[in-house]
Amino acid sequence: DGGITQSPKYLFRKEGQNVTLSCEQNLNHDAMYWYRQDPGQGLRLIYYSQIVNDFQKGDIAEGYSVSREKKESFPLTVTSAQKNPTAFYLCASSIYTGRTDTQYFGPGTRLTVL
Amino acid sequence: GQQVMQIPQYQHVQEGEDFTTYCNSSTTLSNIQWYKQRPGGHPVFLIQLVKSGEVKKQKRLTFQFGEAKKNSSLHITATQTTDVGTYFCGNYGGSQGNLIFGKGTKLSVKP
Repeated sequence: DGGITQSPKYLFRKEGQNVTLSCEQNLNHDAMYWYRQDPGQGLRLIYYSQIVNDFQKGDIAEGYSVSREKKESFPLTVTSAQKNPTAFYLCASSIYTGRTDTQYFGPGTRLTVL
Repeated sequence: GQQVMQIPQYQHVQEGEDFTTYCNSSTTLSNIQWYKQRPGGHPVFLIQLVKSGEVKKQKRLTFQFGEAKKNSSLHITATQTTDVGTYFCGNYGGSQGNLIFGKGTKLSVKP
């Protein structure tokens, strides 16, 4: 069964702790993305990666870090420097053939920082 | 980067009524994609429009791309409760070639 998986679905952390969100895909897609979703704000791009061992900052990268050591995996770390980390985090992937790619989203992780 | 403005932000309809959401840009768009996100779910790709004046239909959903490629619309005929969710438009107009989403239109349908 192909797709994108994110774990966990719900995550609670104390303020000041770093936390890593998992994203795995078995679609053989080259490109992967992390979005943050807040109520009324739509989807905002945090980081994206078009190829292994390379990634680019999106619009709201401050306080976040990523790695892309394997094609299938694109974990996101929410650091203590992120001022307002409570949000719904969505991972997506696409084939990356240019500016017409369809993005496939994972189920998301809802992070709550207490 | 290029921005797409989506209106309305919210729409409440009675089941059976029609619904339309609009996506507008001040600059020409290379293409437009539409996604639907059910409550508590994740966005799912619906369709992509590329050509000027393009119209595509999926059952009760009609998607249009304006002649000037600066706006797009999604129209749902005779809404059903299964249409509930947030509809996003997106365009590959980011400064780094990435997909930029509108803020979405949240549709609620009263049975």
